[in-house]
Amino acid sequence: KQEVTQIPAALSVPEGENLVLNCSFTDSAIYNLQWFRQDPGKGLTSLLLIQSSQREQTSGRLNASLDKSSGRSTLYIAASQPGDSATYLCAVSSGSARQLTFGSGTQLTVLP
Amino acid sequence: KAGVTQTPRYLIKTRGQQVTLSCSPISGHRSVSWYQQTPGQGLQFLFEYFSETQRNKGNFPGRFSGRQFSNSRSEMNVSTLELGDSALYLCASSLGQDYSPLHFGNGTRLTVT
Repeated sequence: KQEVTQIPAALSVPEGENLVLNCSFTDSAIYNLQWFRQDPGKGLTSLLLIQSSQREQTSGRLNASLDKSSGRSTLYIAASQPGDSATYLCAVSSGSARQLTFGSGTQLTVLP
Repeated sequence: KAGVTQTPRYLIKTRGQQVTLSCSPISGHRSVSWYQQTPGQGLQFLFEYFSETQRNKGNFPGRFSGRQFSNSRSEMNVSTLELGDSALYLCASSLGQDYSPLHFGNGTRLTVT
């Protein structure tokens, strides 16, 4: 059974800082890994998707890496802004390609 | 392009009642998945429909059911509601291929009293 862990559970940083969020998974047989952000009371916004054959994906200030062999992914956020404050969720698809297993998330607060 | 639309946004029901939630996927998306989000359990997969057929099912009791219509719209039904069913129910749509990303709606907040 796939299990996804995210560390830390909460993170508070001053504006402008670069930061890294971590995600680990137990079964390396995955189709892809997605990073989402969730604002309070809202749904999930897809940030980046990394296919199992890829090592990283970039979008603007975000960069996500994937190391399948070690069961790890990182989300790097450059030059953080208060608007980046949200919960960041990592999810992997394995077994069934369209069934995601989520981590419990990292609650990020960027202080102005 | 319109996103995934879920209705209603909020629902309050009493124990023992039943409830139906609706999800309209992104145009052209044929796969619809449902997830339950609670503070204690996080996000858990309920089921996935593709071309009106249930393709995958999570580990939830039979009180939770769903269906998909020919226009890809989907409904989820929960019968005999329990207090523990209080949650944010999220719908996601995708093209349905193995490597397609999921796009989520804003969810329906169900409160069972």
